[in-house]
Amino acid sequence: EVQLVQSGAEVKKPGESLKISCKGSGYSFTSYWIGWVRQMPGKGLEWMGIIYPGDSDTRYSPSFQGQVTISADKSISTAYLQWSSLKASDTAMYYCARRSGQLWSPFDYWGQGTLVTVSS
Amino acid sequence: EIVLTQSPGTLSLSPGERATLSCRASQSVSSSYLAWYQQKPGQAPRLLIYGASSRATGIPDRFSGSGSGTDFTLTISRLEPEDFAVYYCQQYGSSSPFGGGTKVEIK
Repeated sequence: EVQLVQSGAEVKKPGESLKISCKGSGYSFTSYWIGWVRQMPGKGLEWMGIIYPGDSDTRYSPSFQGQVTISADKSISTAYLQWSSLKASDTAMYYCARRSGQLWSPFDYWGQGTLVTVSS
Repeated sequence: EIVLTQSPGTLSLSPGERATLSCRASQSVSSSYLAWYQQKPGQAPRLLIYGASSRATGIPDRFSGSGSGTDFTLTISRLEPEDFAVYYCQQYGSSSPFGGGTKVEIK
């Protein structure tokens, strides 16, 4: 069974750094792109970027380029999303999701989400 | 960059009724790259339709997708109680934008 299990909720202060994780199981982790999607409170879905764990090829949405870093550790089947300096506007639910096949394919499996709260 | 506009914002219907949701793209989209997702409160989205008209694994046949070019439609033939949710379209090519969503609520 394909599963994506994300790390737990975080409460941070503005300016702090953060790295959240997404662990894949039940499939060949290195063979499928993993993406990150933001959902701000009460709002819609925003695609942030994707990574191919096999070779760490990474693509970012223009809206998120330079704002976050996506990485992966294929030895432990885990993808990451990190911030170097959080802002209050980063408060949101963050989902990881697996592309179903090639680079441009839909997200067929999703993690349960990680809620990030940034508040002073 | 492609922008997807979904309408209506909210659809108020009764169980058993037909739901028709629209997704319009700012420029032509390859039908191969259009998906629909369902999201219920407190849950992650779920893939319903890909390639504009192909149902994902395990999706009931009351859900159907159609369209091409800039206009796409998700139809739910007869609403079941579990279908009341928010629906998003996505163009999953370069930049992979989502539409703003349509909430299907109980009338």
